[in-house]
Amino acid sequence: IQMTQSPSSLSASVGDRVSITCRASQNIKNFVNWYQQKPGKAPKLLISTTSNLQSGVPSRFSGSGSGTAFTLTINSLQPEDFASYYCQQIYMVPSTFGQGTRLEIK
Amino acid sequence: QVQLEESGGGVVQPGRSLKLSCVASGFIFSAYDMHWVRQAPGKGLEWVAVTSNDGNIQHYGDSVKGRLTISRDNSDNTLFLHMSSLRADDTATYFCARGRRGDWLILENWGQGTLVTVSS
Repeated sequence: IQMTQSPSSLSASVGDRVSITCRASQNIKNFVNWYQQKPGKAPKLLISTTSNLQSGVPSRFSGSGSGTAFTLTINSLQPEDFASYYCQQIYMVPSTFGQGTRLEIK
Repeated sequence: QVQLEESGGGVVQPGRSLKLSCVASGFIFSAYDMHWVRQAPGKGLEWVAVTSNDGNIQHYGDSVKGRLTISRDNSDNTLFLHMSSLRADDTATYFCARGRRGDWLILENWGQGTLVTVSS
């Protein structure tokens, strides 16, 4: 299953609301996770199965979608949110990631 | 707390083999499915392989099937990735990750990674 993530990069300001989209090459129901990765660090799980926020993750992060289209939304961007974000389909093995979105400060 | 520490990376010539290790601590290793994920320099994440908690089931990404082998030693709390016939495009940081109990493809905890460079 291919995961097509867009945009590949995004410039935004502190306080903005941004959305990142992932499209699956087939229906994957709600089996999508989202990860955040900062430079030189390991990825961190943010959201599982489309919309389940992980413990400790701020509520400004949210996920939505089903079938083939999924969105990660970040409300009121904070300085620590500038990072790369990846979607991952977990509908079937082999699992696959989107190409990633680099979120940069404008 | 959950800790995963990878080792074994380095520079290796094309066609040679290398074995990575990931030592786990802070949880009951034998109760969790474990993964390898890699990231080429400046690129995105690529899921590599998973092994079930008892080591009886393995699945692989399409690009590594037949060349990379995931295994584990539950008596030693260690996950392995045996890499053979290495190619330049295997150059990457290799992360081990723990799957969530009951939902093995949710990668809850990650190590810091070990860098493998395939070059002559």
